[in-house]
Amino acid sequence: DGGITQSPKYLFRKEGQNVTLSCEQNLNHDAMYWYRQDPGQGLRLIYYSQIVNDFQKGDIAEGYSVSREKKESFPLTVTSAQKNPTAFYLCASSPRDLPPNNEQFFGPGTRLTVL
Amino acid sequence: GESVGLHLPTLSVQEGDNSIINCAYSNSASDYFIWYKQESGKGPQFIIDIRSNMDKRQGQRVTVLLNKTVKHLSLQIAATQPGDSAVYFCAEQSGSYIPTFGRGTSLIVHP
Repeated sequence: DGGITQSPKYLFRKEGQNVTLSCEQNLNHDAMYWYRQDPGQGLRLIYYSQIVNDFQKGDIAEGYSVSREKKESFPLTVTSAQKNPTAFYLCASSPRDLPPNNEQFFGPGTRLTVL
Repeated sequence: GESVGLHLPTLSVQEGDNSIINCAYSNSASDYFIWYKQESGKGPQFIIDIRSNMDKRQGQRVTVLLNKTVKHLSLQIAATQPGDSAVYFCAEQSGSYIPTFGRGTSLIVHP
């Protein structure tokens, strides 16, 4: 089945530790995205990548880092510099058809809790 | 003091009623709009989309209406079922691949 997966589903981190959230897709999509969702809030864009080996900061990139070495994978590292990392993290992908009118396909999310 | 944004707008309906969820968008240049459904603890799922050259689009039990004059989008769900209970987000795009998401509306369907 084609889809987008995230792991782990739940993640606990001690203060001062870096953690990496996994995101993999087999939809052959060029573009991938990371969002953060806090209770009662919409989705805020952390980073996005429209092609392999290239990525751009979103609205709230501080304290996060990403890589895009493979088309299928877009891991997100939450660094110790992120002051309030407890949140629900969502990864998404989309094709880059023209015109750019395509919905995003979301993974199931990772809930990160800082202890 | 109370934190802003912890409580989503909520719509409560009885099973079998029609539901209307509204969304005001901000960018008059937006040309593509999407509705997503997010169940608790899961990622959002695509429901229906509409391009700016249309006013209305229908799917199975859902209809999206677009009013560009007042920058308003609505999602109508016919014969609402308990399985429709979720948070519904609208998203707008303006010629890029990056959508802007609304805050969401929580739909509660009572049996």
